[in-house]
Amino acid sequence: SQQGEEDPQALSIQEGENATMNCSYKTSINNLQWYRQNSGRGLVHLILIRSNEREKHSGRLRVTLDTSKKSSSLLITASRAADTASYFCATDANSNYQLIWGAGTKLIIKP
Amino acid sequence: DVKVTQSSRYLVKRTGEKVFLECVQDMDHENMFWYRQDPGLGLRLIYFSYDVKMKEKGDIPEGYSVSREKKERFSLILESASTNQTSMYLCASNPSQGQDQPQHFGDGTRLSIL
Repeated sequence: SQQGEEDPQALSIQEGENATMNCSYKTSINNLQWYRQNSGRGLVHLILIRSNEREKHSGRLRVTLDTSKKSSSLLITASRAADTASYFCATDANSNYQLIWGAGTKLIIKP
Repeated sequence: DVKVTQSSRYLVKRTGEKVFLECVQDMDHENMFWYRQDPGLGLRLIYFSYDVKMKEKGDIPEGYSVSREKKERFSLILESASTNQTSMYLCASNPSQGQDQPQHFGDGTRLSIL
């Protein structure tokens, strides 16, 4: 089952600009994670935000969580060509093991 | 750093063949996962294992089985490959029960069934 939905599906911006991606989900969560996937590679964990947190930072990444709207956003500031990748959100589910994944946002940074 | 290694990056097999995809992790993680990834559908969980010889079905287990005889190795088996199983297969692991542990992924196996 697919809980998270990323928006937009694709985003193309100039290097140096900020990129914002959104994730919406349907049921209550304990935490939400963001991952990056470079073309043809596996996913890499970026950041986890818990349901009692509203904002979290890691380097050029800023994640917000609004549990009342069941949504999260990932902001990448001062984008670089190396940020070109697909970005996925994942939420915990009723089981202790399973994550539920969105379909991803494909981000292209133009030099 | 955690390393999750999938045995093949690309694999081409024929319809009806029995196909084995292997995954090994080197960090003594209890949990291991097999996903398939198709354009526009995100990651869909096929099976996961929370301990040696233990397995649980995910969202799309039909046509697949798994084996976990050793803690570090988790195998995905396509019993009789079909063309609709052409996909990218991703293996992942994480260290413990609970969803606050990030999953660590291999680089994937792109499988084509002809």
